Amino acid sequence: AQTVTQSQPEMSVQEAETVTLSCTYDTSESDYYLFWYKQPPSRQMILVIRQEAYKQQNATENRFSVNFQKAAKSFSLKISDSQLGDAAMYFCAYKIKAAGNKLTFGGGTRVLVKP
Amino acid sequence: KAGVTQTPRYLIKTRGQQVTLSCSPISGHRSVSWYQQTPGQGLQFLFEYFSETQRNKGNFPGRFSGRQFSNSRSEMNVSTLELGDSALYLCASGYSGGSTDTQYFGPGTRLTVL
Repeated sequence: AQTVTQSQPEMSVQEAETVTLSCTYDTSESDYYLFWYKQPPSRQMILVIRQEAYKQQNATENRFSVNFQKAAKSFSLKISDSQLGDAAMYFCAYKIKAAGNKLTFGGGTRVLVKP
Repeated sequence: KAGVTQTPRYLIKTRGQQVTLSCSPISGHRSVSWYQQTPGQGLQFLFEYFSETQRNKGNFPGRFSGRQFSNSRSEMNVSTLELGDSALYLCASGYSGGSTDTQYFGPGTRLTVL
């Protein structure tokens, strides 16, 4: 079975500080894509960052960056200079090339930002 | 460009009834996927449609069905509702339906079954 595990149910960070969210996944496929989605209280899922498994370079989007360790099947998200608007549930997800647009999600990590 | 829209946003039904949810993808997108989100099971894939054809199906009973129209709009139907069907139903659209797609989500439909 293909699974995604987010071991931290909740993380707290001070405003302007950095927080790192963990994600591990299990797949026997070699061609896949990894994502981090943010779900604020409005429940709208917003794409934060995307990583192609064949790319060794870690993806970055402004204050968000990932540490992709393919051999370890690890895909962590770092949020730098945290802002109050970053408070949300964060979901790690992946999809394999053979499965079209089917996303498999982790259980989520709640991020709290303290002013 | 307008985002993914879902209607209705909130719905209350009773056990045994049926319900239809609608999803309009981003203009030009031909792939629509549906997900169920519950506190207990998290986010689970229901099915994906591309060019009016179901391409993928998750592990849900046959009470859950869907379809896609020629304009890429999609509907999801749940028959004989059960209490456990109470959930947030999210749809996501993608451009080409290929694995390189990035999917964009709608705001969801909150279904409550009494």
